[in-house]
Amino acid sequence: EPEVTQTPSHQVTQMGQEVILRCVPISNHLYFYWYRQILGQKVEFLVSFYNNEISEKSEIFDDQFSVERPDGSNFTLKIRSTKLEDSAMYFCATRGGRGGNFDEQFFGPGTRLTVL
Amino acid sequence: GDSVTQMEGPVTLSEEAFLTINCTYTATGYPSLFWYVQYPGEGLQLLLKATKADDKGSNKGFEATYRKETTSFHLEKGSVQVSDSAVYFCALSGSETSGSRLTFGEGTQLTVNP
Repeated sequence: EPEVTQTPSHQVTQMGQEVILRCVPISNHLYFYWYRQILGQKVEFLVSFYNNEISEKSEIFDDQFSVERPDGSNFTLKIRSTKLEDSAMYFCATRGGRGGNFDEQFFGPGTRLTVL
Repeated sequence: GDSVTQMEGPVTLSEEAFLTINCTYTATGYPSLFWYVQYPGEGLQLLLKATKADDKGSNKGFEATYRKETTSFHLEKGSVQVSDSAVYFCALSGSETSGSRLTFGEGTQLTVNP
């Protein structure tokens, strides 16, 4: 069964450093998402991406964040200068897109980011 | 904006007990409603969904009915198993304001003891 994969599973970084989180979507999917979950809090939407551009973003997704699909397969989330409050589990999700907005989103296992 | 509220957890049950996890939502328009499950060390998996009022989603013995009059989507299972131990998330998408993004509830940790 096709699945979304994410690397690394755990990333530890120093405050102010740049991190790149990677996701490999299911191969025929067209829509890509990043969500995050701070420990003990809700899963929160960050950004959605379609046709090589951002289609929606939340207020969390400020100038420190960026997304791209550099090689047509990987979908990356970059945090330019990490803060302590960026420590969270980051989930990538993808969907096919043939059923309107209500298609299932398939989630990866997540990357746990720890900022020291 | 949209919001989803789940019953406070965690929930601990004995095997074969009846499960209810309450979920209510606030959204404009006619969103789709979902239950996702997260097993330890894994990502979120879709458990069931309903796309319009009075629809019942069902999977693996779990059921939830989309009740627009009470803005609810409560998850039920008649007889839980130890393997059902996981975190359960209620979510919505497709409201007038949310587009395709998912808005999640807080999650409910379910532990089923043998």
